Amino acid sequence: EVLLTQSPGTLSLSPGERATLSCRASQSVSNNYLAWYQQKPGQAPRLLIYGASSRATGIPDRFSGSGSATDFTLTISRLEPEDSAVYYCQQYGASCSFGQGTKLEIK
Amino acid sequence: QVQLQESGPGLVKPSETLSLTCTVSGGSVSSDNHYWSWIRQPPGKGLEWIGYMHYTGASAYTHSLKSRATMSVDTSKNQFSLKLSSVTAADTAVYYCARALPRPVLDPWGQGTLVTVSS
Repeated sequence: EVLLTQSPGTLSLSPGERATLSCRASQSVSNNYLAWYQQKPGQAPRLLIYGASSRATGIPDRFSGSGSATDFTLTISRLEPEDSAVYYCQQYGASCSFGQGTKLEIK
Repeated sequence: QVQLQESGPGLVKPSETLSLTCTVSGGSVSSDNHYWSWIRQPPGKGLEWIGYMHYTGASAYTHSLKSRATMSVDTSKNQFSLKLSSVTAADTAVYYCARALPRPVLDPWGQGTLVTVSS
């Protein structure tokens, strides 16, 4: 099973700043099959990024994904208050597993 | 646009079988390009993929639940379902259904339904 470790656990930033969220895999993720999801309180997760760097339909270009093999990053530029959420990474190269999440707070 | 809605009992007794249905609107479960997936999230915790199924019968399950989970697709009702047998309190969670590509990229998701396992 591929284990995903996300860091930091919580991130507190101000509007307009840039957020950098990390996802590290216990083994190389085949074909960079890595996705990112956003979950706001009381809501279902929403797909942001797939294939490590491809934005899902309707996702603003403030959200970008990068990385390969075992190290992946979600970057959110020009933070807005509505970006407050928990962000999960997911690998789907070998079965499917999620990271434990990073909580992003906008001050 | 495709929308998904979960339905089923909110309370299940220990050792019994949890049964949930996901109704798809704005799209067809008979799509060749999509699979239909279940994911769960215990209260206050992270996400766990349960598995997914194609209308042709092809399926995959997460290893830890493979012996207890069964999925099915009903093309006549445009629905798909999950059965989880021999439930315990550890199965208490919000259960989500979602559409998936041939690899489980999950989009969109239903709103989720809370299932509590308790006597």
